[in-house]
Amino acid sequence: AQRVTQPEKLLSVFKGAPVELKCNYSYSGSPELFWYVQYSRQRLQLLLRHISRESIKGFTADLNKGETSFHLKKPFAQEEDSAMYYCALTNSGGYQKVTFGIGTKLQVIP
Amino acid sequence: DAGVIQSPRHEVTEMGQEVTLRCKPISGHNSLFWYRQTMMRGLELLIYFNNNVPIDDSGMPEDRFSAKMPNASFSTLKIQPSEPRDSAVYFCASSFRVSTDTQYFGPGTRLTVL
Repeated sequence: AQRVTQPEKLLSVFKGAPVELKCNYSYSGSPELFWYVQYSRQRLQLLLRHISRESIKGFTADLNKGETSFHLKKPFAQEEDSAMYYCALTNSGGYQKVTFGIGTKLQVIP
Repeated sequence: DAGVIQSPRHEVTEMGQEVTLRCKPISGHNSLFWYRQTMMRGLELLIYFNNNVPIDDSGMPEDRFSAKMPNASFSTLKIQPSEPRDSAVYFCASSFRVSTDTQYFGPGTRLTVL
C-alpha cells in the first residue's frame, strides 16, 4: 500500500527564515512524488514534481529514496508562501491512484 | 478554458436528504477524480474514472456514496442518505492521463449536513 506522511499539521516561520516541509512516503514500487499547494481562496494546484527537478517560486524538493523522503524547502520564506501544502505520491504508468498526505499549513509571520 | 467546474459551491442540507455534487472536467482530459477534504483526514481520494469508467472506488466510504460519469464532460457524486459526518469539502480534479500527469482541481463544494 502506498502511504504519505506529513508529520506537521502546522508550521510557523518568520519571514526570511528557511522553510522545510517534511514528507515521507512508503511504497514498494517506483514512486513519483509531487507537491501541491492551496493558497487562501484559490484552487489546489501543482507546485512541483520530482521528475522535473525544477525550482518553483523558490521552492525545491529532492527525492531521497534511501530515506523515502521528499521534503519541500525554501531558503527564505515570504508572506505569500502562507498556504496549505500537500505531498502526493503515485507510481508511474498504468492505472495508479494518487495518494495525498494530510497536508501542512505553512504560516509565514511578518 | 474555465478549468474544472463544480456545482454547487456550497450546499447545506439536513440529515437524511440526498445530495448530488456535479463536476465538469477540462475538455480533453480523460481522467477524473473525486476527493474529500477534512481537517482530520486531509485529502482523501474517493473514486477515479478513466475514459468514463470507474477504475478504483476503494476510497468510497460506504454504500451511501455513489459516483457516475455518463460522458466525458460530466460526473456526479451522490450521497444518499446524507449524515453530519459527511460534512466536508469535496473536490473534483481531472487530468489528461491517470497518475503521472498534473491534476487540475475544481474550486470544491463545501457540504454541510445538519
